[in-house]
Amino acid sequence: DVKVTQSSRYLVKRTGEKVFLECVQDMDHENMFWYRQDPGLGLRLIYFSYDVKMKEKGDIPEGYSVSREKKERFSLILESASTNQTSMYLCASSLGLVQPQHFGDGTRLSIL
Amino acid sequence: AQKVTQAQTEISVVEKEDVTLDCVYETRDTTYYLFWYKQPPSGELVFLIRRNSFDEQNEISGRYSWNFQKSTSSFNFTITASQVVDSAVYFCALSEAHSRTGANSKLTFGKGITLSVRP
Repeated sequence: DVKVTQSSRYLVKRTGEKVFLECVQDMDHENMFWYRQDPGLGLRLIYFSYDVKMKEKGDIPEGYSVSREKKERFSLILESASTNQTSMYLCASSLGLVQPQHFGDGTRLSIL
Repeated sequence: AQKVTQAQTEISVVEKEDVTLDCVYETRDTTYYLFWYKQPPSGELVFLIRRNSFDEQNEISGRYSWNFQKSTSSFNFTITASQVVDSAVYFCALSEAHSRTGANSKLTFGKGITLSVRP
């Protein structure tokens, strides 16, 4: 079974802090994704990566950046956290871009 | 741009009732994929099914069945004899398959349907 592990289940940070959310997958998947999930808005794609050191903007990349130095790890970075970035963040990976995505448990991030 | 509409936001049924979750999509492509995911209270999204645009056969898996109709751009999901463990948020999603590296290869999710099954 594919395992996608997000480093924290719950995280509380302060406005202006630089925040790192880490995601690791163990199935050698090429593609990795970061989403945020908000009530009434569903899942929205922030960034995705189809190879090491490659990244593509999703629907809502503003205020975020990503890093993929190794195939198994995809990091989401909030450069200067703001209260409107309080949300549930979900990481996913897939073998191909139209293959099913496998999701982590999510990180519930609160920015105070 | 592609779009997925899940018009139902919340559904509540009593155990053993059948329930259908609706999904309507919009795309200009002839090649695309449709997905259903389940998100139980624990939070992790679980993949349920993938269907490509050239395969309109309905699928049944145990108590779950899916009805794909290109003529109405719909991909509806029916749970037969619902159980309490079916309580979750269900997402329909669409992926266009014509580009490997472009943003069009990403999944577009609907806003989800919260299903509550009461004992």
